[in-house]
Amino acid sequence: EVLVLESGGGLVQPGGSLRLSCAASGFTFSSYVMSWVRQAPGKGLEWVSIISDSGGTTYYADSVKGRFTISRDNSKNTMYLQMNSLRAEDTAIYYCAKVEDYYVSPNKGYFDYWGQGTLVTVSS
Amino acid sequence: SYELTQPPSVSVSPGQTASITCSGDKLGNKYASWYRQKPGQSPVVVIYQDTKRPSGIPERFSGSNSGNTATLTIRGTQAMDEADYYCQAWDSSTGVFGGGTKLTVL
Repeated sequence: EVLVLESGGGLVQPGGSLRLSCAASGFTFSSYVMSWVRQAPGKGLEWVSIISDSGGTTYYADSVKGRFTISRDNSKNTMYLQMNSLRAEDTAIYYCAKVEDYYVSPNKGYFDYWGQGTLVTVSS
Repeated sequence: SYELTQPPSVSVSPGQTASITCSGDKLGNKYASWYRQKPGQSPVVVIYQDTKRPSGIPERFSGSNSGNTATLTIRGTQAMDEADYYCQAWDSSTGVFGGGTKLTVL
């Protein structure tokens, strides 16, 4: 059974930092692209970042570029999101998602498995 | 930046057909996927690569994508289909979600 489990959320002050983790199981983690998607309270889904299977290629939404860093440790089947210079507008549930078919062109990728999410609250 | 536009809400009577649209520039040249999210739950993919249904998703769910519009169609809509629905596509290597559509079955 494929499982992805986020952790690391919590309350942080504006300007602070937080690192989220996503532990994966039930599939060959090192063979799949992984992504972070967030959802502000009462709002829609927002794509945040994506990382290649090797970890060598990453992309970010403009809203987090320069502040967030995505990474992965394939030996631990875990993906991370380092969030710095946090703002109130970063308050959201952060979901980890496995991506299928990302490399096919044009991009056929889709999110086939999602975690339950971890809540990040940025407030003083 | 690339944008996807969805109607905020769609209403349908039980047993009828619901259609949710997603508009974007030349969206038909990209692949669209659709996600269902019920209150307090994580999103679930219901349609991927425009028309494909994952295992476990009922046959009443279907999708199409042409021109500037992708459409999610739910035939014989049931009360359990009431949820928020999001379309998603890729602008080259970055992801884009539509704003979401609240489907009400009444």
